[in-house]
Amino acid sequence: EVQLVQSGAEVKKPGESLKISCKGSGYSFTSYWIGWVRQMPGKGLEWMGIIYPGDSDTRYSPSFQGQVTISADKSISTAYLQWSSLKASDTAMYYCATPFSYSSSWRGGGPFDYWGQGTLVTVSS
Amino acid sequence: EIVLTQSPGTLSLSPGERATLSCRASQSVSSSYLAWYQQKPGQAPRLLIYGASSRATGIPDRFSGSGSGTDFTLTISRLEPEDFAVYYCQQYGSSPSTFGQGTKLEIK
Repeated sequence: EVQLVQSGAEVKKPGESLKISCKGSGYSFTSYWIGWVRQMPGKGLEWMGIIYPGDSDTRYSPSFQGQVTISADKSISTAYLQWSSLKASDTAMYYCATPFSYSSSWRGGGPFDYWGQGTLVTVSS
Repeated sequence: EIVLTQSPGTLSLSPGERATLSCRASQSVSSSYLAWYQQKPGQAPRLLIYGASSRATGIPDRFSGSGSGTDFTLTISRLEPEDFAVYYCQQYGSSPSTFGQGTKLEIK
């Protein structure tokens, strides 16, 4: 069974760094893309970017390029989302998800059919 | 990037009624690579429809999707109490993938 398990909730101050994780199990981690989706409080879903753990090919939405870093450690089947300097506006729920069963015409495209449980990040002074 | 606009913002209906949700794209969605999700409070989204009209695994047949190009529709033929939630469309035909802003389906 495909499972994505995310790290726990975080409370940070503005300017601090943070790395949250998403561990995949039940499938070949290196063979499927893993993406990240932001949901700000009371708001909709935003596609942030996606990584292919097999070769670390990474695609970002222009809205998030340079604001976050997506990475993966295939030795422990874990993907990461990282900030070097958090802002209050980074307060949100962050989901990892994989387009496991379906694909698209471009590398990294696909609807997300498996999701993590979400990691709530709160940034407040 | 492709902007998806969903309408209405909120839809108030009763159980047993038919729901029709719209998703309009700012440019044509390649190969009808359009998905629909359902999200309930405190839960991750759930994939309902992919490829504009194909139901994902385990999705009841009261959910159906249609459309192509720039106009897409999610129809719930007969609302069950558990269908009241927020629904999002997503295009994955071009990079970056993008989501609509959501339609809240509430009990009348």
